[in-house]
Parts: sequence; structure tokens; C-alpha cells
Amino acid sequence: GESVGLHLPTLSVQEGDNSIINCAYSNSASDYFIWYKQESGKGPQFIIDIRSNMDKRQGQRVTVLLNKTVKHLSLQIAATQPGDSAVYFCAEREAAGNKLTFGGGTRVLVKP
Amino acid sequence: DSGVTQTPKHLITATGQRVTLRCSPRSGDLSVYWYQQSLDQGLQFLIQYYNGEERAKGNILERFSAQQFPDLHSELNLSSLELGDSALYFCASSGTETGELFFGEGSRLTVL
Repeated sequence: GESVGLHLPTLSVQEGDNSIINCAYSNSASDYFIWYKQESGKGPQFIIDIRSNMDKRQGQRVTVLLNKTVKHLSLQIAATQPGDSAVYFCAEREAAGNKLTFGGGTRVLVKP
Repeated sequence: DSGVTQTPKHLITATGQRVTLRCSPRSGDLSVYWYQQSLDQGLQFLIQYYNGEERAKGNILERFSAQQFPDLHSELNLSSLELGDSALYFCASSGTETGELFFGEGSRLTVL
């Protein structure tokens, strides 16, 4: 069945450094991918998305890379700040479906 | 603030009881999703409604049911509660059936 998984459950980053969060997916029918950020006590918040016809998309301090050949998704955060400390989820959706399937999440801890 | 409102924020109840969680989507959003977040399972998709009709179903137990009303708010009913039902229950809404999801702050259910 379809599944989305994460390589690193916890990532410690020095403030100011760049962060890279990785995600593997197995459903080749997925055509839309999203990264969410969840801070403690809050609901997931949309960060950035990418469609399968792209391999890179940039936002403000964030970049998402998609490698469909190896079914791999990554989120890069530039100049990580204390406010970036949170759990990050990748999610995928099939072309013909409605539901988002979430990965298990990666906790990012930013050290001052 | 995502614009999605969930009530109650916290709920403590006993095994065997029944509870109702309520969600008001963002103004104008027709699609509502319910997710369960447990410590050991991440975000699990339960069910989706679009303009009052069920659109997609995930790993929702038979003891659970949901509906979306004409005013577009949604309720998730959980019955015959078990200890393992303790979790955060998130509602999300989107403007279309397959658009970006905006999550509420969640309802934390504790079953004792």
C-alpha cells in the first residue's frame, strides 16, 4: 500500500545553519506533495508544496526538492532560526484522490 | 490563525462514553477533513466531506462517524470510547476537493 516515511526522526541544528529534512514516499501515483510545520500545541501549518511536474520549488527561506526517480522529497530551511523548531511532516496525494497521506514527522531542534 | 475553529479544545471522558467534536471550516471552504494524531502513529486520515457529501474515507473505525451540515460545519462522533482513542483530532478545510488544507488547532481527547 501507499506509505510516506521519514529518514530522521530528530534533527538538531545550530541557529543560522541550514536544515535539510528528508522524506521517502512509495506511491508512484502521487502527484502532489506538501510540507507542513507543526508547533507544539498547534495544528499543522502549510509551508510549501510541489507538483510532480516540478523538481524544485522555492519559498521564503525554504526550498522543496522532488526526485521522482527515487521517490524522495526534501525540505531545506536556510539560516535556521529558533522559531523553526517544530515537527515537520511531508504529505502526498494521489492524482485521482482527495486525501493527504502524512509521513511520521521529523522534529527539528534549533540550538542557540 | 488558519480560520478553522474546533471545539472543544480539551475533553476528558471515560471508556465506553460518546463524544462529539465540532469543526467550523474557513469561510467559504466546502471541503472538510478529519485527522487523528496519536503519539505513535502521526497524522492518520479519517474522512473527508465536500459540500455535505462524503468524498473519501480513511482508517476510520466503525465506532466513529462524521457528517457535514448544510452550513458546512462538521461533527465527528466517537462512541464506545476506548483508552486507545486518546489522541488529538484535527479538522482541516479547503476551498476545493483537492486544494491546500488549512488545519484547526485540534481537539485533545483523553479517555480514562
